[in-house]
Amino acid sequence: QVQLVQSGAEVRKPGASVKVSCKASGFPFMNYDINWVRLTTGQGLEWMGWMNPKSGNTGYAQKFKGRVTMTRDTSTSTAYLELRSLRSEDTAVYYCAKPMTGTEFESWGQGTLVTVSS
Amino acid sequence: EIVLTQSPGTLSLSPGERVTLSCRASQSVASPSLAWYQQKPGQAPRLLIYAASNRATGVPDRFSGSGFGTDFTLTINRLEPEDFAVYYCQQYGGSPPYTFGQGTKLEI
Repeated sequence: QVQLVQSGAEVRKPGASVKVSCKASGFPFMNYDINWVRLTTGQGLEWMGWMNPKSGNTGYAQKFKGRVTMTRDTSTSTAYLELRSLRSEDTAVYYCAKPMTGTEFESWGQGTLVTVSS
Repeated sequence: EIVLTQSPGTLSLSPGERVTLSCRASQSVASPSLAWYQQKPGQAPRLLIYAASNRATGVPDRFSGSGFGTDFTLTINRLEPEDFAVYYCQQYGGSPPYTFGQGTKLEI
């Protein structure tokens, strides 16, 4: 069955960076874009961007451009989200998600809580 | 960017009731590429409806979606206790960004 297993919770100070991993199994990793979505108390669900595992191509929401990088390791079927220059408003649960056919997300990771606090 | 506005923000209901949630887009959604998700505390979102009216695998038939253009609805017939959660709509037509609505919370 499809599984997306994310790395554990992180705590960072403002201005620092964080890198979250998402290990995929149960489906051909190279065939589906991996998307990242975060859940914040104030904004609800927020789409951050996508990464194509085959090409490495990415697309980011305007809000995160310049601060976010999405990468992958095809040898381990793992996707990564790096967010830099963290601020308190980035405190959120970060999810990786696999689409079904379009960009509707049928499978999700369990979520990674990132807390930004001084 | 397409902005999705969900209403109402919070609904207080009882098991057995029928509810309709609204999702309005700031411009027409292509295809229609509109999905609905259910999220409970501490859990990842769960896909309920895709392409506006298609139930995802394993979703009970008391959930139904409809709409096109800019107006979409999610209807839940005969609310069960496990249906009390937050519901989000998402548009994924055309080019990114693939935006979400702000959510509707169903509470007992």
